[in-house]
Order: sequence, then C-alpha cells, then structure tokens
Amino acid sequence: DAGVTQSPTHLIKTRGQHVTLRCSPISGHKSVSWYQQVLGQGPQFIFQYYEKEERGRGNFPDRFSARQFPNYSSELNVNALLLGDSALYLCASSLITNSGANVLTFGAGSRLTVL
Amino acid sequence: QKEVEQDPGPLSVPEGAIVSLNCTYSNSAFQYFMWYRQYSRKGPELLMYTYSSGNKEDGRFTAQVDKSSKYISLFIRDSQPSDSATYLCAMSLLQGAQKLVFGQGTRLTINP
Repeated sequence: DAGVTQSPTHLIKTRGQHVTLRCSPISGHKSVSWYQQVLGQGPQFIFQYYEKEERGRGNFPDRFSARQFPNYSSELNVNALLLGDSALYLCASSLITNSGANVLTFGAGSRLTVL
Repeated sequence: QKEVEQDPGPLSVPEGAIVSLNCTYSNSAFQYFMWYRQYSRKGPELLMYTYSSGNKEDGRFTAQVDKSSKYISLFIRDSQPSDSATYLCAMSLLQGAQKLVFGQGTRLTINP
C-alpha cells in the first residue's frame, strides 16, 4: 500500500516567489493536515482539511493557504516567500472515526529552501 | 515559554543501554500523548500512543505519562543502532485531534 506521497521532494525558490506543494493521502483517508518543520525543531501545525473543508488552522500568516480536492488530495500554497519559510513541509493523513486514535501518518515531506 | 519542552540532545549511548527520553508541558488540558520517531530525510512515524496518566509497553519501548507533573517519558530497552533517530514527543487536547503540539525533538545515536 502506498503511504502518504508528497511532491516535490526538494525545491529552491527566491524571496517573494510563490510555491505550491502537493500531497496524496493514504487511500481511504479523508483528512489531511499540513505541518512545517524548521531545521532542528518539531513540526508545527499549519492546517487541517476534512471532506474538502478547513477544520483547523495554526498560527501562520495569510500567505499560507491550502485546499483539498474531491479525491482528498491537497495542496499547500505559500505566497510572497520569506527566508524564514525555509523548512520541511509535512503532510499527514488519517481516518476520522468515532473511536480510536485517529493516528496521523506522515509523508516524507517537501524540503523548501528560500534564497 | 513553549507549550512542550524537550531536551534536543544530542544523546549518544552504547548499544544495549537503556535510553530515557523526556518531555514536559505546560497545558494541563492535554489528554493524548504520543512519541514519534523520525529518521533523517523521512517523515515522523508513530511509536507509542497513550491516553492520560499511566504506562504503556510495546516490545522494547515503554511510554509513561504523569499528568500531575506534566511530564512524559519514553524508555528504550536493549537499544540498537537502528534506534538512532530523532524522537519527538507530541500531544493533543482531543481524541482524534489532527492538531498535534510537538516538542523540539531529541537526536539519539546508539553506538555499536
């Protein structure tokens, strides 16, 4: 079974540019979350989407946006890139059930470098 | 002050040693506690998941939660070189919550 897949794996942008990162969840998972992991730090929650609706947002500026498509894949968009946006962007998917841990499964991430 | 504090290490121990990793937190509303392992150039993978205070054991791994002290631990027995990774504690307010609050991560190296 394919896990959570993310693309691209690496990319380099310059300040002020825009970036789109993509995520395909595990088959059957309807919830997708995005996290930012700066080097040497733990992941920080950016967004959660479930059934194509935003269900949670972390403390990130409006330059960050996301959406979820009918096939439950998702895109994270970041506008007007800053040097501080350089990080590993992680996508995680999970089942949403009435019981159980609803464990997050993470992808390998997209490493963004802003020059 | 961060919501979750974790000693970043690095921590280096010989093969076979018992490893203790710890996190403290400030929000007493956290109910669900997790430990993730992250290898270089990989995403985090879930190791242990516990609810409220108590112990949970899974093979060589034991997770402990002490809510009264706002302190969680992960013990690794008979450590192996393949355990070398960054270990992240994480916690959430609600069951099934997708917003996890992570610690900084502890970089662990097991020396053969």
